Amino acid sequence: ELKVEQNPLFLSMQEGKNYTIYCNYSTTSDRLYWYRQDPGKSLESLFVLLSNGAVKQEGRLMASLDTKARLSTLHITAAVHDLSATYFCAVDMSPGSGGSNYKLTFGKGTLLTVNP
Amino acid sequence: NAGVTQTPKFRVLKTGQSMTLLCAQDMNHEYMYWYRQDPGMGLRLIHYSVGEGTTAKGEVPDGYNVSRLKKQNFLLGLESAAPSQTSVYFCASRKWTSSGSPLHFGNGTRLTVT
Repeated sequence: ELKVEQNPLFLSMQEGKNYTIYCNYSTTSDRLYWYRQDPGKSLESLFVLLSNGAVKQEGRLMASLDTKARLSTLHITAAVHDLSATYFCAVDMSPGSGGSNYKLTFGKGTLLTVNP
Repeated sequence: NAGVTQTPKFRVLKTGQSMTLLCAQDMNHEYMYWYRQDPGMGLRLIHYSVGEGTTAKGEVPDGYNVSRLKKQNFLLGLESAAPSQTSVYFCASRKWTSSGSPLHFGNGTRLTVT
């Protein structure tokens, strides 16, 4: 059974600081997605990582994937209040990714709070 | 484009009542999914479908049934609601591609079972 672990689950940061969220998973996959969820809202796709060594950046967020280590990171640079949200990683088990079904398994999410 | 539309947005049921949640997508996506979200648990997959007329169980299928009679619709049924099914339910869809594609989510249905 695939396990997806995010840490930390709660992160309180000051504006201007840097930090990294980690997403570890337990079985072979080379497709991983990051989502953002604001309170009371739906999930919004942030990054799609489709191969070992993939790196994507959007503003103050950068995501990377190391399939050999089964690890993805979401790095936050010079945090601002608008980044406060819950961030989820999701591992894809579709055929072609190393898996055998079409499921996406999510981590429990990291609640990020950026304080002034 | 409406994307993924869920109805209803809110619902309160009494224990033992039944209901159906409707998910409709207008993106011609092959794959559709139902997740539930509970505090501290992330999103857990209930059932999913890889095409019209096909469904499969996810992590937490007990107490739920699904149907996909049309490609654009994916229905989630609760035959006899229990308080443990109080949750926020999200439907999602994505297109088939050999290179991977993210899920597109609906706005969720908040269900309370008393």
